[in-house]
Amino acid sequence: QSALTQPPSASGSRGQSVTISCTGTSSDIGGYDYVSWYQQHPGKAPKLMIYGVNKRPSGVPDRFSGSKSGNTATLTVSGLQAEDEADYHCRSYSGSDNYEIFGGGTRLTVL
Amino acid sequence: QITLKESGPTLVKPTQTLTLTCTFSGFSLNTGGVAVGWIRQPPGKALEWLALIYGDDGKRYSPPLKSRLTITKDTSKNQVVLTMTNMDPVDTATYYCAHKVNYVFDYWGQGTLVTVSS
Repeated sequence: QSALTQPPSASGSRGQSVTISCTGTSSDIGGYDYVSWYQQHPGKAPKLMIYGVNKRPSGVPDRFSGSKSGNTATLTVSGLQAEDEADYHCRSYSGSDNYEIFGGGTRLTVL
Repeated sequence: QITLKESGPTLVKPTQTLTLTCTFSGFSLNTGGVAVGWIRQPPGKALEWLALIYGDDGKRYSPPLKSRLTITKDTSKNQVVLTMTNMDPVDTATYYCAHKVNYVFDYWGQGTLVTVSS
């Protein structure tokens, strides 16, 4: 059970947009619309930002959006702000062994 | 509102058994489709799912760790307990419990750092 693949780092200037990819297989991302994304600031617990591929919980700015194509899910952060600098983790359900799988995490730097 | 809090030892010796308790409020594990899960994160590393328990006592475990894990619940106390046997230094991590509904871990505890060292 390998982790979902995320780039280790991403960056963008304030006001710009950045995308973070999360690649899995047809047994997880490609097979189910159960992808979620979490934001984690240093020393803090993960915070849900996107669920069900592209749904935002109440209180999450609409600058955050999610999508999926095939076995790859993508998180897009538009209009980057300083407080968006954090680690971002993707997560999916995997039907092959009925388990939960996370990505390796991506550190987003706001320049 | 939904809250969860992890508790347990901060230091365990190699080969010992770790017991962690998640105490929650704001929801009932008896509600259909609701579960509580455990996820850990070694320092500077990725999140790793460990185990999940539903109100009907259905349980799921991470396949690589299944032989070492046991998850139980005490609905009357609003608690979920995770035990992990034969602890090793590589098990040093922050351990989180989280509320899960509709295939989403939506609320997380603050986490508890467990160090495995002699």
